[in-house]
Amino acid sequence: GAVVSQHPSWVICKSGTSVKIECRSLDFQATTMFWYRQFPKQSLMLMATSNEGSKATYEQGVEKDKFLINHASLTLSTLTVTSAHPEDSSFYICSARAAPRGTGAGNQPQHFGDGTRLSIL
Amino acid sequence: AQSVAQPEDQVNVAEGNPLTVKCTYSVSGNPYLFWYVQYPNRGLQFLLKYITGDNLVKGSYGFEAEFNKSQTSFHLKKPSALVSDSALYFCAVRDRSSNTGKLIFGQGTTLQVKP
Repeated sequence: GAVVSQHPSWVICKSGTSVKIECRSLDFQATTMFWYRQFPKQSLMLMATSNEGSKATYEQGVEKDKFLINHASLTLSTLTVTSAHPEDSSFYICSARAAPRGTGAGNQPQHFGDGTRLSIL
Repeated sequence: AQSVAQPEDQVNVAEGNPLTVKCTYSVSGNPYLFWYVQYPNRGLQFLLKYITGDNLVKGSYGFEAEFNKSQTSFHLKKPSALVSDSALYFCAVRDRSSNTGKLIFGQGTTLQVKP
């Protein structure tokens, strides 16, 4: 149980292209999804927290107009990297949490997708 | 401020020997603590968590972790390492007082198990 599917797994595209990454919870409903960025041999950097039906909360320093997040349903969140440039090349990982919002939710683990390797030429 | 420290970039052990991957944390209140493992070009897999109760937590693949409140540590352990355990391991913490579900990750420790 608790499977998160992330698609695509690998993207290579030209500079200036917009790229959409999908994150789906396959066997549970995810009220909250998280988007991370990871550089080689480094830890995960949280980019934004996405709650179903509301605007995403971006971490400091993350451009919301650059990284568009949509969490339209309880099983799907998307991250669109707009007008991507080589410095946007990275490994992007999503995660989903099944617990409802509010008290008692914090002890539930996040379940991660397999990541998307984005390479901008 | 909340933080997690994994003091070792890499841990090397021989197959069959016990392993320990260290983690210490700093939070304002009582924490939720997690361990995840990452294989190359993959997302993170959940191993175990500490919420409350017994300080020794057992998780997936024979791993366990011991919560030590006085030392603010949550070291990951396994009695007998396998070559297939070689991967990148992350410790993470969440403050109970926060309802956003955000995790703070350590910098990761590469575990290398040699035959």
